[in-house]
Amino acid sequence: DGGITQSPKYLFRKEGQNVTLSCEQNLNHDAMYWYRQDPGQGLRLIYYSQIVNDFQKGDIAEGYSVSREKKESFPLTVTSAQKNPTAFYLCASSWGLGNEQFFGPGTRLTVL
Amino acid sequence: KNQVEQSPQSLIILEGKNCTLQCNYTVSPFSNLRWYKQDTGRGPVSLTIMTFSENTKSNGRYTATLDADTKQSSLHITASQLSDSASYICVVSGRQTSGTYKYIFGTGTRLKVLA
Repeated sequence: DGGITQSPKYLFRKEGQNVTLSCEQNLNHDAMYWYRQDPGQGLRLIYYSQIVNDFQKGDIAEGYSVSREKKESFPLTVTSAQKNPTAFYLCASSWGLGNEQFFGPGTRLTVL
Repeated sequence: KNQVEQSPQSLIILEGKNCTLQCNYTVSPFSNLRWYKQDTGRGPVSLTIMTFSENTKSNGRYTATLDADTKQSSLHITASQLSDSASYICVVSGRQTSGTYKYIFGTGTRLKVLA
């Protein structure tokens, strides 16, 4: 059963804590992406990766970090430097940049 | 400035009725345009993808049109069902001079279908 998974579905964090969101895909896609979705706004790109061991900042990378050690995995760390981290986070993957993106089910992060 | 604007922001229709959602974009250069359906609390799912040379594409009860000259697209939903209640997102992508691709997302139209 091919697809892209994210965990956990809901995540609560205290202010000042780092937290890591998981994203895994078994579609054999080279490119992976992290987006943030806030009410009334379009999806905004945080980071993307075209290939293993390489990643690029998106439009709102400040306060976030990523790694791409395996083709299947692209975890996102929300650091304490992110001023307003409460949001819905979506991971996506595609064969390459510009190809159709397949999205995961999302992780809703709430900072208490 | 690269932008994708969708209208209306929200829409309520009765089950069985048709509706049309609009997407206007200023993204350049243009590569393709996609419509996604996003159920509440879920990830978006692709409905259609259209390239510069395509005018119409259908996926069941969903029909997308593209006018590349006026930079407008529409998504027409025929004989709506309760399960069509969702947000519909228009995404335009274009290849940049650096060789990378840019995806520009609209804010979506929230559709509610009533019984």
